[in-house]
Amino acid sequence: NAGVTQTPKFQVLKTGQSMTLQCAQDMNHNSMYWYRQDPGMGLRLIYYSASEGTTDKGEVPNGYNVSRLNKREFSLRLESAAPSQTSVYFCASSPRGANVLTFGAGSRLTVL
Amino acid sequence: AQSVTQLDSQVPVFEEAPVELRCNYSSSVSVYLFWYVQYPNQGLQLLLKYLSGSTLVKGINGFEAEFNKSQTSFHLRKPSVHISDTAEYFCAVSGGNDYKLSFGAGTTVTVRA
Repeated sequence: NAGVTQTPKFQVLKTGQSMTLQCAQDMNHNSMYWYRQDPGMGLRLIYYSASEGTTDKGEVPNGYNVSRLNKREFSLRLESAAPSQTSVYFCASSPRGANVLTFGAGSRLTVL
Repeated sequence: AQSVTQLDSQVPVFEEAPVELRCNYSSSVSVYLFWYVQYPNQGLQLLLKYLSGSTLVKGINGFEAEFNKSQTSFHLRKPSVHISDTAEYFCAVSGGNDYKLSFGAGTTVTVRA
């Protein structure tokens, strides 16, 4: 009964390096999301995927790309990491058109 | 678009005392409102939600919230807190046909013995 699984849990990058955060859900949810959490700013939506095969920008998409690989998996890529992308990243999923999200445990990224 | 303001960034409270966390929202359409809790070093989990119907909503762990449309508020309350309620609490809103959630900045609750 895993729910939403994110990898890696921790990552340290140097400025300019690239990396991909992986997310998988086993609840047969249609919609998936990537948020970032920064102190005093709550959670901000980076990208979301309403259903398999579609992706859309959220509030803070600059510097990120996403791939909805299949119904289960939704990855977030940083092509050239910047210190401003130091954050905790959360993946979430929900049934189609529903607004109750199930969150992963988070991935803490530090960009030096 | 919807937005949420959490009026308190930090709330210290003694064990067994009541607590209220304040949340105001803005929206031009009918709203759905949520409270999520984040325990240290964990993801977020749903405490309670208001979708329709009764304006008093009961959630897990003894929490409840009241939807007040005239005051555009959705304040969270617990009559008696425990040390284990120490966490960060987020109010969130979605509305109309937009099911994406917008989150407030969070309120950190620290319960002291």
